[in-house]
Amino acid sequence: QLQLQESGPGLVKPSETLSLTCTVSGGSISSSSYYWGWIRQPPGKGLEWIGNVYYSGSTDYNPSLKSRVTISVDTSKNQFSLRLSSVTAADTAVYYCGRLLVIKAFDIWGQGTMVTVSS
Amino acid sequence: EIVLTQSPGTLSLSPGERATLSCRASQSVSSSYLAWYQQKPGQAPRLIIYGASSRATGIPDRFSGSGSGTDFTLTISRLEPEDFAVYYCQQYGSSPLFTFGPGTKVDIK
Repeated sequence: QLQLQESGPGLVKPSETLSLTCTVSGGSISSSSYYWGWIRQPPGKGLEWIGNVYYSGSTDYNPSLKSRVTISVDTSKNQFSLRLSSVTAADTAVYYCGRLLVIKAFDIWGQGTMVTVSS
Repeated sequence: EIVLTQSPGTLSLSPGERATLSCRASQSVSSSYLAWYQQKPGQAPRLIIYGASSRATGIPDRFSGSGSGTDFTLTISRLEPEDFAVYYCQQYGSSPLFTFGPGTKVDIK
């Protein structure tokens, strides 16, 4: 059964770069059938799509974050990663990674990781 | 940008009752690309419905989705205790590629 697990620092200082990794287990990230995405949820609020990556490395980003976001894939490690630069308190959220189906829905999610931006 | 509006914000019902949740889009959304998720406190969202009306794997048939264009509905025919949660709709289409609605909380009356 495919599982996703987010990892990375839980605390990031303002103006620094947030870096998270999502490890895919029980299946291959190199499947041509799926994309892989990042979604975040500020405390007590709704869901915001950050971006997606395909195993080939092609990406799509939310325009509201595009200038600060980089999503990459490492097929040798079965992982994909998120980097968000110049963070502020507004970037404090639970960050989820997810598998994106061709029907454009996220069917498998990681458990989420809380990232707090604070000095 | 397509904005999704969900109503009501909170739905207070008793187990066994029928729940009807609405998702309205500011522009037409392809039915193929409208999904619903369930989220319980402290948990990741769970895909319930994709393609507006197809149940995801393992989702019981008391959950059904319908709609087209700008108006979509998630119906839970008879609420079970485990169905009390927040439900989000999500669309794929214009930029940004994916947007979520603000959610409807279904709580116990």
